[in-house]
Amino acid sequence: GIQVEQSPPDLILQEGANSTLRCNFSDSVNNLQWFHQNPWGQLINLFYIPSGTKQNGRLSATTVATERYSLLYISSSQTTDSGVYFCAALTNYKLSFGAGTTVTVRA
Amino acid sequence: EAGVTQFPSHSVIEKGQTVTLRCDPISGHDNLYWYRRVMGKEIKFLLHFVKESKQDESGMPNNRFLAERTGGTYSTLKVQPAELEDSGVYFCASSQRLSSGNTIYFGEGSWLTVV
Repeated sequence: GIQVEQSPPDLILQEGANSTLRCNFSDSVNNLQWFHQNPWGQLINLFYIPSGTKQNGRLSATTVATERYSLLYISSSQTTDSGVYFCAALTNYKLSFGAGTTVTVRA
Repeated sequence: EAGVTQFPSHSVIEKGQTVTLRCDPISGHDNLYWYRRVMGKEIKFLLHFVKESKQDESGMPNNRFLAERTGGTYSTLKVQPAELEDSGVYFCASSQRLSSGNTIYFGEGSWLTVV
């Protein structure tokens, strides 16, 4: 099956800082999704982004499908951004998840 | 519009007992999925329903796990008998169509602890 790798595994930020999370995938995919699992365990869909760039508030994502990677940008981070960020590649109907990046934002 | 809802949110059971998790997908979504994340590992696919039919159950770990979706609405995932390694978070998800233009929406998960 498809392999999904995320980096870095852990990230500690000071409130207000910017950061970039990376997701590499091993094969062509139908789609790529970014999720945020907050400290309460909820898995929140952030972006559905097979290619190109999308923005939602302080978050934006870029997928370069031909080079098999996606980036998630967090700008002006806030403590509520803490949690685990997962990317997942969709092939047919099945999502393959990366191991996640654990983000801790300190006040 | 209500999202994907799961029940119970948390469950603590003893090894050997039975637990049944329930998932209500978003109304109108024919596709329903179960995923799980066991401690420290990636979120893994378990199975996929299209309406009441199992489309793919290749991710089910063993025959102690039984998923049903009678009537093509809500789904249940039963673990019987539960083992310690079954502890983790069980996510249910749904989507409207299988085409690549569809977002898959996840529920908040059911946290299972087997002691």
